[in-house]
Amino acid sequence: DAKTTQPNSMESNEEEPVHLPCNHSTISGTDYIHWYRQLPSQGPEYVIHGLTSNVNNRMASLAIAEDRKSSTLILHRATLRDAAVYYCILRDPMGDMRFGAGTRLTVKP
Amino acid sequence: DTGVSQDPRHKITKRGQNVTFRCDPISEHNRLYWYRQTLGQGPEFLTYFQNEAQLEKSRLLSDRFSAERPKGSFSTLEIQRTEQGDSAMYLCASSNLAGGRTDTQYFGPGTRLTVL
Repeated sequence: DAKTTQPNSMESNEEEPVHLPCNHSTISGTDYIHWYRQLPSQGPEYVIHGLTSNVNNRMASLAIAEDRKSSTLILHRATLRDAAVYYCILRDPMGDMRFGAGTRLTVKP
Repeated sequence: DTGVSQDPRHKITKRGQNVTFRCDPISEHNRLYWYRQTLGQGPEFLTYFQNEAQLEKSRLLSDRFSAERPKGSFSTLEIQRTEQGDSAMYLCASSNLAGGRTDTQYFGPGTRLTVL
């Protein structure tokens, strides 16, 4: 399985943008890049996914490097409710999801 | 939108006892996944179903674990002869892979198992 590398933790100030990096140098051509987050005491929640092009939705943006060996999840204005563990996951089209340890995001008021 | 539900939310049992958890997926979702999560770690994949067929099982799923999805709707996960190392959060997720090339998984709140 292709692996991802994320920082263990990051901090942000409220209402500032947050850029969460993910390295995936062994990504294959068919792997999708998925991001999920897990708020305290809850199950994971889908955030966004992409294959090659940058993606935007109401929650976040996903910027994918041209060589696809890294990606960045962008929260445009962090709120206290965005404090969570963020997981970057590579997934082939028919495969299961393999979570790593993720990045714990702390948002300071 | 009722979401994915799991029952019970908490279970405390003694070592050696059997436990069974239930997951009700989002209606019409054809895929159902089970994960296990221990403190400070990300969820670990256990198994998944496409309708009633169990398509993949992780090596984490020892012989003491069995999962079923008899009618392609709800699913049960049973752990026989529980051990203290089975203490974890058990998460269920469902998705609808209808001709697409990837799916979005919707997770339930989990069942927290404590084995004494």
